[in-house]
Amino acid sequence: GAGVSQSPSNKVTEKGKDVELRCDPISGHTALYWYRQSLGQGLEFLIYFQGNSAPDKSGLPSDRFSAERTGGSVSTLTIQRTQQEDSAVYLCASSLAAGGNEQFFGPGTRLTVL
Amino acid sequence: AQSVTQPDIHITVSEGASLELRCNYSYGATPYLFWYVQSPGQGLQLLLKYFSGDTLVQGIKGFEAEFKRSQSSFNLRKPSVHWSDAAEYFCAVAPSRADKLIFGTGTRLQVFP
Repeated sequence: GAGVSQSPSNKVTEKGKDVELRCDPISGHTALYWYRQSLGQGLEFLIYFQGNSAPDKSGLPSDRFSAERTGGSVSTLTIQRTQQEDSAVYLCASSLAAGGNEQFFGPGTRLTVL
Repeated sequence: AQSVTQPDIHITVSEGASLELRCNYSYGATPYLFWYVQSPGQGLQLLLKYFSGDTLVQGIKGFEAEFKRSQSSFNLRKPSVHWSDAAEYFCAVAPSRADKLIFGTGTRLQVFP
């Protein structure tokens, strides 16, 4: 595809359930980022994958959050035992490589935890 | 730790007026600075970036920004605003060229005809 795609676009879940959010980066982009956008916290970095290096997980808010990137392409962000404060728009971005390239953002997944 | 401050939460301007959105950053070394725009229902789009060199950078849609090290600022400007510029604008800093972005809280721009 031409851009970063994310699925689902909207997800409503009940408190305590697990959710998986998917990101398909632009083909050939080696760097992949997850951010969260919420009313109370603004835009926050969550996790960053660069090639085969160990991911930078410094932004994950709790151990209920995890992410993986399979085959250096698709990434899945998993939130276990969701809480109401997890409600937010989860944004994925990718960039071509280390070296100053622009991060291209996907449309996001809006997560609502009831 | 790096941080970004956008002092103006909401700005209203008339179409055709000039615009300046403020951004201040806190970072020890030379930062990598970005401005992104988010239109309603749209994803984040990069307007411009500063890594080094000329401190006045040109971006898309007629925007420019000036890096002022002495003031730790990277303000976004446009000489004449169009109604389609109504959106939310985010300033961001990164500790290196390909690294996580640290965003400001955003400035919502409203444009009156």
